[in-house]
Amino acid sequence: DTAVSQTPKYLVTQMGNDKSIKCEQNLGHDTMYWYKQDSKKFLKIMFSYNNKELIINETVPNRFSPKSPDKAHLNLHINSLELGDSAVYFCASSQGSFSGELFFGEGSRLTVL
Amino acid sequence: QQQVKQSPQSLIVQKGGISIINCAYENTAFDYFPWYQQFPGKGPALLIAIRPDVSEKKEGRFTISFNKSAKQFSLHIMDSQPGDSATYFCAASRTGYALNFGKGTSLLVTP
Repeated sequence: DTAVSQTPKYLVTQMGNDKSIKCEQNLGHDTMYWYKQDSKKFLKIMFSYNNKELIINETVPNRFSPKSPDKAHLNLHINSLELGDSAVYFCASSQGSFSGELFFGEGSRLTVL
Repeated sequence: QQQVKQSPQSLIVQKGGISIINCAYENTAFDYFPWYQQFPGKGPALLIAIRPDVSEKKEGRFTISFNKSAKQFSLHIMDSQPGDSATYFCAASRTGYALNFGKGTSLLVTP
């Protein structure tokens, strides 16, 4: 029974397309995050939601739009994909905002051709 | 600006040896220092964490050593095993702010 699940696991698409990644957590946590991991493995926070409210919005192109329909779900939509968007995107959750104990999903590898 | 500096970038250790990964920080307001372990194709997972009121925390073969005055902390993996081969991230946070990750250390334990 996966705690934080993301779909799809892999996305391969052309430049200029739009894609979405979905995330669900069954841990009962109230905070969810999107992280981007580049080819050098660096983890960079993108967004965080607490009880459906956006609390972290790092310097991310506005082509990236998160949406949290409820506290168990956090989706990421990316418009007009660029080559530099190729990365692994991780969803994570925690109990409480800004908790240091994060539970990560297995990641969604996005490849933009 | 990298708030947590991690070294080395990569590390090769023989089975049974000790793996040591170091991290340094500048912000004295940080009050929580976790280490995350990431296997290929998986998400990072919390391994062990420490708060600055103690100088050492041990869980099995994994130990965090914390030096508040030097603003440094390290992960020691005793009796390293091939199954420990993974990427390790140190991190630091302060109450009310997001977690700051180091750049990661790729550990390879050879048989």
